[in-house]
Amino acid sequence: DADVTQTPRNRITKTGKRIMLECSQTKGHDRMYWYRQDPGLGLRLIYYSFDVKDINKGEISDGYSVSRQAQAKFSLSLESAIPNQTALYFCATSDRPTSGSGNEQFFGPGTRLTVL
Amino acid sequence: AQSVTQLDSQVPVFEEAPVELRCNYSSSVSVYLFWYVQYPNQGLQLLLKYLSGSTLVKGINGFEAEFNKSQTSFHLRKPSVHISDTAEYFCAVSDLSSARQLTFGSGTQLTVLP
Repeated sequence: DADVTQTPRNRITKTGKRIMLECSQTKGHDRMYWYRQDPGLGLRLIYYSFDVKDINKGEISDGYSVSRQAQAKFSLSLESAIPNQTALYFCATSDRPTSGSGNEQFFGPGTRLTVL
Repeated sequence: AQSVTQLDSQVPVFEEAPVELRCNYSSSVSVYLFWYVQYPNQGLQLLLKYLSGSTLVKGINGFEAEFNKSQTSFHLRKPSVHISDTAEYFCAVSDLSSARQLTFGSGTQLTVLP
């Protein structure tokens, strides 16, 4: 079984709808992240969480919110989806940085979201 | 703040030829450096990482990268590519002081031609 899972894998929705993307991990990591990927822009950080009570905005948090329900679960919500939120969304996890791991992150398979 | 520049958005190369994918970074503090690979319709997978020590780092699938502090570069190389190496490659940096975030480059699409 995959260590980091994302649901759904694909979603098509309409402008104005509320959407939730879910991420679960079995790696036992404290840190979880949400990124979006757009062609030519690489991955940009939306939100990150270092534990259940620690949630931080990333580079592009406007229009998004998150919930860390448990150590293993981190959800991303689009309160009112708009077409320019059409993208590939990735969840990632990492352990606390050590001299042996740095800040290595482990990624889920991604959710392809289309907003019409 | 840290940033990463991948100088080539597309690199076509023939099978069995060598390849170099370029990555430059900027940071005011010491950094960790990573290369990730994304195969079509998949998530990102770690190829290799530089944390400290030897500046030449070997990764999976025959890839290696060299950390050059004076040139703030971390170029990825493979002496002989295969069709299966066709993928998008991302360079990423994280600063040592807090290691709070990874900052990614915009990616390089490597296409290996028969």
